[in-house]
Amino acid sequence: KQEVTQIPAALSVPEGENLVLNCSFTDSAIYNLQWFRQDPGKGLTSLLLIQSSQREQTSGRLNASLDKSSGRSTLYIAASQPGDSATYLCAVKGDSGGSNYKLTFGKGTLLTVNP
Amino acid sequence: DAGVIQSPRHEVTEMGQEVTLRCKPISGHNSLFWYRQTMMRGLELLIYFNNNVPIDDSGMPEDRFSAKMPNASFSTLKIQPSEPRDSAVYFCASSLKPGNTEAFFGQGTRLTVV
Repeated sequence: KQEVTQIPAALSVPEGENLVLNCSFTDSAIYNLQWFRQDPGKGLTSLLLIQSSQREQTSGRLNASLDKSSGRSTLYIAASQPGDSATYLCAVKGDSGGSNYKLTFGKGTLLTVNP
Repeated sequence: DAGVIQSPRHEVTEMGQEVTLRCKPISGHNSLFWYRQTMMRGLELLIYFNNNVPIDDSGMPEDRFSAKMPNASFSTLKIQPSEPRDSAVYFCASSLKPGNTEAFFGQGTRLTVV
């Protein structure tokens, strides 16, 4: 059974700081990994999608890396802003059981960027 | 495209009542998912449809839960009878197809059963 862990559970940083969020998964037989952002009371917004054959993806100030063999991904946020405050969720699709549709989510990292 | 559209956004109902949640996936997407989010368990897959056919309903907690997808542009999740422990945020998501495609989520329905 695929399990996804996100560390830390919460993070508070001053504005302007660069930061890294961590995600680990137990089964490396994945199709892809997605990072989402969730604002309080809102839905999930897809930030970055990394295919299993890729090592990283970048979008603006965000950079996500994937090391499939070790079961790890990181989300790097450069020059953080108060507007980045949200919960960041990591999800992997697939497992050794052959599922090519199921997203398994971590519990998320609650990020607070202080002005 | 307007994205995945869910209704209602909020639902408050009394225990024992029937609740129906609705979802319109992104046009052209063949895969549709219902997820439930709680503080204790995070996001869990309830059911997965591909081309309107339920493929995996192993996450549906009890027989009180049922889901349908009568056509490619509409799905419902029904709870009958509802119980307080069903209180959660229910998300619908869609993707173009299974495999290495991106999933897009709706805004969710916050269900409170009192």
